[in-house]
Amino acid sequence: KNEVEQSPQNLTAQEGEFITINCSYSVGISALHWLQQHPGGGIVSLFMLSSGKKKHGRLIATINIQEKHSSLHITASHPRDSAVYICAVRFENTGNQFYFGTGTSLTVIP
Amino acid sequence: GAGVSQSPSNKVTEKGKDVELRCDPISGHTALYWYRQRLGQGLEFLIYFQGNSAPDKSGLPSDRFSAERTGESVSTLTIQRTQQEDSAVYLCASSLRTSGRGQETQYFGPGTRLLVL
Repeated sequence: KNEVEQSPQNLTAQEGEFITINCSYSVGISALHWLQQHPGGGIVSLFMLSSGKKKHGRLIATINIQEKHSSLHITASHPRDSAVYICAVRFENTGNQFYFGTGTSLTVIP
Repeated sequence: GAGVSQSPSNKVTEKGKDVELRCDPISGHTALYWYRQRLGQGLEFLIYFQGNSAPDKSGLPSDRFSAERTGESVSTLTIQRTQQEDSAVYLCASSLRTSGRGQETQYFGPGTRLLVL
């Protein structure tokens, strides 16, 4: 069964803290995307991973294919990072369909 | 350049009516996705278009849902005989091309908020 699980569901952090959001999936994938959904609803793509690690500014995303797990890290968190972070997975056995985690709602307090 | 646009931004309709939602992808983007996000829930895949290939309709929840796309331009999602459970935000995304492995960046539109009374 194709499943995507994210944790935690909700996360509150103080400004400056290091944040980790986790995504686990059930079977082999061809791609994993991390998305950011702002309070107004707009969705922005942050990373696409098929292996290894990517970094953009204060954001780092890693994936372990063998363990079927990905993490999104935010260093030196800031209130403007407050958003919902979503893991989206394209499984190898499901054609073009993407499966989404339920999202992690992050609030960074000044 | 212009991003993905969707119209209308909000739609209120009565149960049983048909609605049509529109998506204008980024020019030159061959791939187009429709998703649904119900209140408090995650995104759900509905349908995928790639160029002139037959669309992947595997995510459409019922035969009341249909979508069309002419070439690599505008797409419309039609919901017939709307039900209250169809209330959701309908999101469209496009990407430049596809390798067939889903590795391209998707650019999302702002969504259409549909409320069925």
